[in-house]
Amino acid sequence: DVKVTQSSRYLVKRTGEKVFLECVQDMDHENMFWYRQDPGLGLRLIYFSYDVKMKEKGDIPEGYSVSREKKERFSLILESASTNQTSMYLCASSPAPYNEQFFGPGTRLTVL
Amino acid sequence: SQQGEEDPQALSIQEGENATMNCSYKTSINNLQWYRQNSGRGLVHLILIRSNEREKHSGRLRVTLDTSKKSSSLLITASRAADTASYFCATRVEAGSYQLTFGKGTKLSVIP
Repeated sequence: DVKVTQSSRYLVKRTGEKVFLECVQDMDHENMFWYRQDPGLGLRLIYFSYDVKMKEKGDIPEGYSVSREKKERFSLILESASTNQTSMYLCASSPAPYNEQFFGPGTRLTVL
Repeated sequence: SQQGEEDPQALSIQEGENATMNCSYKTSINNLQWYRQNSGRGLVHLILIRSNEREKHSGRLRVTLDTSKKSSSLLITASRAADTASYFCATRVEAGSYQLTFGKGTKLSVIP
């Protein structure tokens, strides 16, 4: 079974802190994705990566950056966390663009 | 703007009944996927239907796709309490796109 893991289930940070969310997949997938999920807004794509060191902006990249140094790992970085970044963050991976996506359990981030 | 819109937003049924959820979208698609999300967890892929397919089955799930009406439906037969979850449709807009666009979901409650 494909396994996508995220570094934390719950995280509480202060405004202005730098925050790292880590995602690891164990199935050698080329494509990885970061979404945030908010009530009433559904899932919105922040960034995705289709290869090591490659990244593309999604719908809401402002305030975020990403890093993909190894195929299995995709990191989401909040350079200076703000309260409006309080959300559920979901990582996903996919073997090919047209295929299903496999999701991690999510990280619920609270920025105080 | 949202590509996929699920309807209804919430649905409550008795165990054993069938549940039908609908998804409408705006532009031509390559494929449409349905996902389930248990409360506070990641999404799980249920079924993928390609634009040239009209119907697909998986266990108690039946998905239909009507590209002329730009709509899809997900039918869960003989529902169980464990089917209680939110259900999302996701569309891949064009052949070259890596991006899936998710709707806001239908929250299904199955009452034992």
